[in-house]
Order: sequence, then C-alpha cells, then structure tokens
Amino acid sequence: EVQLVESGGNLVQPGGSLRLSCAASGFTFSTHWMQWVRQPPGKGLVWVSRIKSDGSSTSYADSVKGRFTISRDNAKNTLYLQMNSLRAEDTAVYYCARESSSWLDYWGQGNLVTVSS
Amino acid sequence: SYELTQPPSVSVSPGQTASITCSGDNLGYKYVSWYQQKPGQSPVMVIYQDTKRPSGIPERFSGSNSGNTVTLTISGTQALDEADYYCQVWDNSTVVFGGGTKLTVL
Repeated sequence: EVQLVESGGNLVQPGGSLRLSCAASGFTFSTHWMQWVRQPPGKGLVWVSRIKSDGSSTSYADSVKGRFTISRDNAKNTLYLQMNSLRAEDTAVYYCARESSSWLDYWGQGNLVTVSS
Repeated sequence: SYELTQPPSVSVSPGQTASITCSGDNLGYKYVSWYQQKPGQSPVMVIYQDTKRPSGIPERFSGSNSGNTVTLTISGTQALDEADYYCQVWDNSTVVFGGGTKLTVL
C-alpha cells in the first residue's frame, strides 16, 4: 500500500525557517518524481515544487522561488521541503504527492505550517 | 501564467447528474486530471488523462475534454460525493490547478 506521511509542520515567526519531510513507503520511491502542493486555509490547491526521481532536476512556483528548496534522499525514501524567509502568506497545509506521468496519484495527509508572530 | 477557470459552486439533487466544468486556453491539447477533496481530507484523484478512472473510483465518475472546456460528470450523484473538486493540467513543466468547485448535494 502506497503511503506518504508528512511531518515537520509547526508555528514559525515571519522570516523563520522550517523543514518538512515526507516519508514514502509501499512503492519504489527512487523511480518517481515527487511534488509539494499547498492549500491556504479555506482556499484551493496551489502547486509549490517538484523534483525528478534522481533529484537532478527541480522546479518551483514563482511565489517560493529562491526561498524554498526541494530535495530527496532515495536511500531513506524521504522527500524534503526546506522553507526559508517564511511569510504570513506561506501559511497553509502542505501536501506531498507522488507524480505518475501527468497526474498526482497519491497524496500525503497534509501538514500545517503557520507563519505568525 | 496559465489559468484554469471553474465555477465556485454547483448544486445537484441526489440521484441526478452533476457536471463540473473547467476552462482554459487550448485545454483540448492538454491532459486534464480531476481531484476530489472532502473536508479535512487529502485530495483523491478521480479522473486522469481526461477520461480515465483510477481503480476504486466508482463508474459514476466520468470525464470529457472538448475544445477549451473539460467536464467532470457524476451520474446518479450520492450524498457522499459532496466535496470540492479541482481540475489540473501541466503547463511548461509546472502543475496548474483550477480554483475548485464546491459540489453540494441537496
């Protein structure tokens, strides 16, 4: 059974940093691109970032470019999102998702990040 | 940047057919996926590649893609189908979601 379990969400002050993790199991992690998607409270889904199966290619939404870094450790079957210079508008539930061809077929349970003083 | 437009809300009576649209430029040339999200839960894919249904998704869910508009159709809508629905495409190697449609079954 495919499972994606996020962790690391917390309350952080503006300008602070946080690292999210997503532990994957039930599939061959190293063969799949992975993504982060976020959802501000009461709002819709917003794409954040994606990373190639071997970690050699990444892309980011303009809103997080230069502040967030996606990475992965295929030996640990874990996806990461390092978030720096956090802003109030980064407050959201963050989901990791598995990418299969042109769709996102499995999603984690979500992890809340709150940026507030 | 590419934009997908969905109606904010759609209402349907139980047992009737619900249609949720998603529009965007040249959408017919892109593969569209649809996701269902119930309150407090993670999104679940219900349609991929315009018309395909993942295993475990009821047959009452179907998708179509024509021109600049795609449609998610739920036949014989049930109360448990009440949720937010999002369409999704790729544009320049980035993922784009529609704004979401709240389906109310009443």
